[in-house]
Amino acid sequence: DAGVIQSPRHEVTEMGQEVTLRCKPISGHNSLFWYRQTMMRGLELLIYFNNNVPIDDSGMPEDRFSAKMPNASFSTLKIQPSEPRDSAVYFCASRRNQETQYFGPGTRLLVL
Amino acid sequence: GENVEQHPSTLSVQEGDSAVIKCTYSDSASNYFPWYKQELGKRPQLIIDIRSNVGEKKDQRIAVTLNKTAKHFSLHITETQPEDSAVYFCAASWKTSYDKVIFGPGTSLSVIP
Repeated sequence: DAGVIQSPRHEVTEMGQEVTLRCKPISGHNSLFWYRQTMMRGLELLIYFNNNVPIDDSGMPEDRFSAKMPNASFSTLKIQPSEPRDSAVYFCASRRNQETQYFGPGTRLLVL
Repeated sequence: GENVEQHPSTLSVQEGDSAVIKCTYSDSASNYFPWYKQELGKRPQLIIDIRSNVGEKKDQRIAVTLNKTAKHFSLHITETQPEDSAVYFCAASWKTSYDKVIFGPGTSLSVIP
């Protein structure tokens, strides 16, 4: 298996632009998680899905952030409009039931 | 609410010494406790995990202990090596929350040669 796949790996954009991050979970995994990592705030859980249904989005910072999971093999995290404080590494992770959670390589986002 | 605390935030040890990182969790329904290692610029990767029906688990130089009564668990690394230098995260998960995983704030471990 290729593991969790994320794209793009790096994104540089200007403030106000829309940013879309993509994730393909490991085949057969039924839970998908989006995390944001910064030096100041550590590894924050933004939202997670179970069987494609959003279960808890209490970690989403504000309405500028949205996430979707249209099917079992694809999820997006969108920021619109982006701001410099959104600069971080965004990780997607997946797991099957109570088994090991695997992280993707992350997307390094820089908003100028 | 759900919370995982982790101490210390930074830890420096001499090569060959042991390192211990401690975590506490708030939800008594937590039943799965993984530990992740994150090297600089890389993704977190699982190094060991323990479930609530076990008190201790060991894998070579790494061991994890769990005290359900006190709601805390610890990572022990013996005979530390420079390549053990990384950030270590503890986490907790519980089935009643659809497999949600909450991470601690991390411990930056430096092993001095």
